[in-house]
Amino acid sequence: DAGVIQSPRHEVTEMGQEVTLRCKPISGHDYLFWYRQTMMRGLELLIYFNNNVPIDDSGMPEDRFSAKMPNASFSTLKIQPSEPRDSAVYFCASSSTGMKTQYFGPGTRLLVL
Amino acid sequence: QQQVKQSPQSLIVQKGGISIINCAYENTAFDYFPWYQQFPGKGPALLIAIRPDVSEKKEGRFTISFNKSAKQFSLHIMDSQPGDSATYFCAAGTGGFKTIFGAGTRLFVKA
Repeated sequence: DAGVIQSPRHEVTEMGQEVTLRCKPISGHDYLFWYRQTMMRGLELLIYFNNNVPIDDSGMPEDRFSAKMPNASFSTLKIQPSEPRDSAVYFCASSSTGMKTQYFGPGTRLLVL
Repeated sequence: QQQVKQSPQSLIVQKGGISIINCAYENTAFDYFPWYQQFPGKGPALLIAIRPDVSEKKEGRFTISFNKSAKQFSLHIMDSQPGDSATYFCAAGTGGFKTIFGAGTRLFVKA
């Protein structure tokens, strides 16, 4: 299996622009998680889905952030408009009912200028 | 109550020594306690995990000790090697799959 796939791996954008991060979970996994990692705040859970349905979005920082999972093999995290404080590494992870292990993707390093 | 407190923030150990990282939690609903290892430029990867009905779990050089009454758990890395140099995260999860991560410990093993 290819593991969790994220794109792009690096993104540099200017304040005010829309940013879309993409994730393909491991085939057969029914849980998908979006995390943000910064030096100051560590690894924060933003939102997670089960069977394409958002279960808990309490970690989404504000309305500028939105996430969708239109099907079992694809999810997006969108930031509109982006701000410099959104600069971080964003990870997608997937898991499966019956196992607790989360498998993380390589992350997207976002820099907002 | 959802926090997982991890210490130390960073750790330097001589090759062959024992690395010890500690974590504490408050929420008694947590029923799964994994440790993740993260190398620079990579995503975290599961290292070892324990459930609260077990006091210790060992996998190779890595051991989790779990103290349910104190709501604490720790990772011991025996015979630490330079290749173990990474950031280690403790975490706690519930049946709903929501997982709370500790702040991380940067381990450096000196050759």
